[in-house]
Amino acid sequence: EPEVTQTPSHQVTQMGQEVILRCVPISNHLYFYWYRQILGQKVEFLVSFYNNEISEKSEIFDDQFSVERPDGSNFTLKIRSTKLEDSAMYFCASSDLPSETGELFFGEGSRLTVL
Amino acid sequence: GENVEQHPSTLSVQEGDSAVIKCTYSDSASNYFPWYKQELGKGPQLIIDIRSNVGEKKDQRIAVTLNKTAKHFSLHITETQPEDSAVYFCAAGGQNNNDMRFGAGTRLTVKP
Repeated sequence: EPEVTQTPSHQVTQMGQEVILRCVPISNHLYFYWYRQILGQKVEFLVSFYNNEISEKSEIFDDQFSVERPDGSNFTLKIRSTKLEDSAMYFCASSDLPSETGELFFGEGSRLTVL
Repeated sequence: GENVEQHPSTLSVQEGDSAVIKCTYSDSASNYFPWYKQELGKGPQLIIDIRSNVGEKKDQRIAVTLNKTAKHFSLHITETQPEDSAVYFCAAGGQNNNDMRFGAGTRLTVKP
């Protein structure tokens, strides 16, 4: 069964450092997403990406965040200068339906710990 | 924007009993209501979903009911098994996945 894969599974970084989280969505999917889950809290939408551009972003997704699809298979989330409160589980997701809400397929997540 | 409330936050049942998790939503335009199961160390996985033109949907031991008038929907798991133990999230969405918002999650423990 096709799946979304994410790397790294866990990253520890110092405050102020740049972090790149990587995702390989399911190959025929067109819509890509990043979500964040702070420990014990709800899953929060960060950003969606379609046709090589951001289609929507939440208030969490400020100027410190950026996304990119550099090579047609990877989908990355970059945090330019990490803060303590960026510590969370980051989930990548993808879906294939173009015009209606369809099933989201989530990766297993990347745990980011900012010290 | 959409706001989803989920109850209870924790639920413990005996194996074989039923479990019910309830969610309410705020945006009457929402028309897609998925439920996700998140096992320890894994990402959320879709287990069942319902669209607003349907009031109830069943898939083996799990069922979801939707009351659009009251803006609430529920997950029912019958004949629970220890492997049902996980965190369950409801979500509500509208025109596209960008609008989808998650509930806070329910940690279900099924005791053998």
